[in-house]
Amino acid sequence: SQKIEQNSEALNIQEGKTATLTCNYTNYSPAYLQWYRQDPGRGPVFLLLIRENEKEKRKERLKVTFDTTLKQSLFHITASQPADSATYLCALDLIGGGQNFVFGPGTRLSVLP
Amino acid sequence: DAGITQSPRHKVTETGTPVTLRCHQTENHRYMYWYRQDPGHGLRLIHYSYGVKDTDKGEVSDGYSVSRSKTEDFLLTLESATSSQTSVYFCAISVREMGPEAFFGQGTRLTVV
Repeated sequence: SQKIEQNSEALNIQEGKTATLTCNYTNYSPAYLQWYRQDPGRGPVFLLLIRENEKEKRKERLKVTFDTTLKQSLFHITASQPADSATYLCALDLIGGGQNFVFGPGTRLSVLP
Repeated sequence: DAGITQSPRHKVTETGTPVTLRCHQTENHRYMYWYRQDPGHGLRLIHYSYGVKDTDKGEVSDGYSVSRSKTEDFLLTLESATSSQTSVYFCAISVREMGPEAFFGQGTRLTVV
């Protein structure tokens, strides 16, 4: 069956450390993999996307890797801050045109001061 | 929120009543989506639209219908609300010409009692 999972429901880390979130999927062949941030009571906000033929993407303190053999993406936040506390969602873009996203359940990150 | 307005933001309704949620965008983008978000399930696609009067079903479309008579408005109707439809509903758009990412509204919290 098709499945998308994120490594843990919640993750606590100390300020200044690197947070690493995992997204695993089975029986999908995504054209893109995207990461979103969601704050309580708000809609998700797009952060980064990585294409199936890319290994790594960076944006400021964020880094995403994509291994289509392992069917896994890692999302890193370096030098984490309390303001990074939120739920992070991964999403598979199956058609490459935005017609069909499949979202993971999310990981709630808490960065402790 | 990329010019997306959802209304109402909160609604409590009784089992068996019809309910319509509205999504309005100010940018005239072609692709619009309705998702529901439930604990442990993440975001799940209900219906999407790729233009006026052009709609298609998503993963969890049973019990829901949609209409798009104008580019800027995408309506989601629960034909006869059930308690299992208690959820947070998000509208999203994607701007295919600029990239595959989605932009979300702030959500509608619907409670069916």
